Amino acid sequence: EVQLVESGGGLVQPGGSLRLSCEASRFTFSRYWMNWVRQAPGKGLEWVANIKHDGIEKYYIDSVRGRFTISRDNAKNSLYLQMNNLRAEDTGVYYCARDIGSGWEFNYWGQGTLVTVSS
Amino acid sequence: DIQLTQSPSFVSASVGDRVTITCRAGQDISDYLAWYQQKPGKAPKLLIYAASTLQSGVPSRFSGSGSGTEFTLTVSSLQPEDFATYYCQQLHSYPITFGQGTRLEIK
Repeated sequence: EVQLVESGGGLVQPGGSLRLSCEASRFTFSRYWMNWVRQAPGKGLEWVANIKHDGIEKYYIDSVRGRFTISRDNAKNSLYLQMNNLRAEDTGVYYCARDIGSGWEFNYWGQGTLVTVSS
Repeated sequence: DIQLTQSPSFVSASVGDRVTITCRAGQDISDYLAWYQQKPGKAPKLLIYAASTLQSGVPSRFSGSGSGTEFTLTVSSLQPEDFATYYCQQLHSYPITFGQGTRLEIK
């Protein structure tokens, strides 16, 4: 069974930085687009960014462009999200998710890692 | 950005009921729509993709329909494990967007 395990969340002050990681296993990581999706406490889902299998093509939601960077290391089966200049509104659970393969939908998700931005 | 509006935002129903949730897109998204189920403290689970294709392993009481700007998710006979929050998602254009969610609770 496909596994995605996020790590790197925690408490950070406004303006600070965090790097999230997502370790993938039990599938050929280098063949899939990968995504980050977040969920603020008690709120809905918000797609954050994604990256093509070769790591060259990347897309972001406007509110994080220029502050967050998505990257991957296919040799390590790992996805990353470097988050700089964090704001209170970035608080939430961050999930990594894999696309279905035949389409763009997300059929595998990690358990999530909590990011709290607060002074 | 393509806005997705789900209705209702909250529905109360009983085991065995038939429930339909609607998702309206702000522009034509063809069939680039998915439905997810999320339970408290858990990651979302893909139910339907390409508007009407049932994801492998999902019970057949779930079905999706629609194209263009109006889509529906139907649960034909609610089971206790179906009480959760449901989200639609469009994958037609960036940024990928989700509806605000529909919370399905036991009456």
